Amino acid sequence: DQQVKQNSPSLSVQEGRISILNCDYTNSMFDYFLWYKKYPAEGPTFLISISSIKDKNEDGRFTVFLNKSAKHLSLHIVPSQPGDSAVYFCAASARIGTASKLTFGTGTRLQVTL
Amino acid sequence: DGGITQSPKYLFRKEGQNVTLSCEQNLNHDAMYWYRQDPGQGLRLIYYSQIVNDFQKGDIAEGYSVSREKKESFPLTVTSAQKNPTAFYLCASTSAGELFFGEGSRLTVL
Repeated sequence: DQQVKQNSPSLSVQEGRISILNCDYTNSMFDYFLWYKKYPAEGPTFLISISSIKDKNEDGRFTVFLNKSAKHLSLHIVPSQPGDSAVYFCAASARIGTASKLTFGTGTRLQVTL
Repeated sequence: DGGITQSPKYLFRKEGQNVTLSCEQNLNHDAMYWYRQDPGQGLRLIYYSQIVNDFQKGDIAEGYSVSREKKESFPLTVTSAQKNPTAFYLCASTSAGELFFGEGSRLTVL
């Protein structure tokens, strides 16, 4: 059973516009969420995280929103740039610091077009 | 530069052969992990180690083995018992929850 779901396998956005990547989870014990970005043939790199005590976390062009009641989080990238084209993984865990319990989504491939 | 080094980047193996993937980190992280990535699937945890000389099975440990004799090193052996070994393998380490990944190793079984 997929506890972390990214229902959109791909997304295409024009340069300069907003990219919104979505992630849903089913386990109510999850209280720490992360987004990773991955280029082909490379390891994922950490992008941004949020704990369940917050509903928003912002870092430059990247903002993550958490809706606990809906068990939904989203990553907003604005403005989108061609270098943002990559696969984005959502991940969740039941406690900060327990990387061994991270559950990853299946990823969303973002394509930023000129 | 601090980081995680995986080798080899690409590896081909015949069916029935064991193969060992190397993972070395100089980040002084205690915990290290091995993940597998398959098309259309998220990263799945194979094995992890919280400390030297100790390791635990992840969600898909069957057909794999690991060792953790040194803090810096966490090699993964893909044995002939692994039914579907062709995949992209990622090693990671952490000190505070956020994983730092290596560049990955792509294993293809011929």
